[in-house]
Amino acid sequence: AQKITQTQPGMFVQEKEAVTLDCTYDTSDQSYGLFWYKQPSSGEMIFLIYQGSYDEQNATEGRYSLNFQKARKSANLVISASQLGDSAMYFCAMREGPFYGGSQGNLIFGKGTKLSVKP
Amino acid sequence: DAGVIQSPRHEVTEMGQEVTLRCKPISGHNSLFWYRQTMMRGLELLIYFNNNVPIDDSGMPEDRFSAKMPNASFSTLKIQPSEPRDSAVYFCASRGSALSYEQYFGPGTRLTVT
Repeated sequence: AQKITQTQPGMFVQEKEAVTLDCTYDTSDQSYGLFWYKQPSSGEMIFLIYQGSYDEQNATEGRYSLNFQKARKSANLVISASQLGDSAMYFCAMREGPFYGGSQGNLIFGKGTKLSVKP
Repeated sequence: DAGVIQSPRHEVTEMGQEVTLRCKPISGHNSLFWYRQTMMRGLELLIYFNNNVPIDDSGMPEDRFSAKMPNASFSTLKIQPSEPRDSAVYFCASRGSALSYEQYFGPGTRLTVT
């Protein structure tokens, strides 16, 4: 079974509008972390936002916010006021296990959503 | 501050040749990850190190792949012999400590095996 599911292979959004990119996850751990990365056409992976499983507040970073619904196991990324430079692939990822100890660390990535912002 | 450095950025080689990809993590980071990205399989973890020690290499496809981290500032991923199906973008990422959560990715090495 997939650990991270991104059901939208591609999405379009009008410039200046908000857009939500979906992500659902599957884990039996109580402690885990959820991440979103952006990959523009140039290829680099850019960290956007992080949500810990015990965080009570939804994470926000500038125009990015993470709509975390723990019971539904979803961690959707919301981009407000889309810009042309937001056109890219967006990956949701999960790290299972606690963050202390250092024995766990790898990220499990979804297949990604390609976002295109229209002028 | 310099980010994660990978070399080469692009590599084209013939089937059967040995390929070595290199990574320099961010100074002071103690975890290093090698990922492979293909259209078919997306981003997959190959191996990761904590304090230069390999922790999980279950993602390494087969014996043709090997990775080393001889010191805290350098890691290699070697493919010998290379095959066309190894063509992919290979990313190296590093993380600061067990308490930090963000992985910083390098620019990737685009490998093409003909």
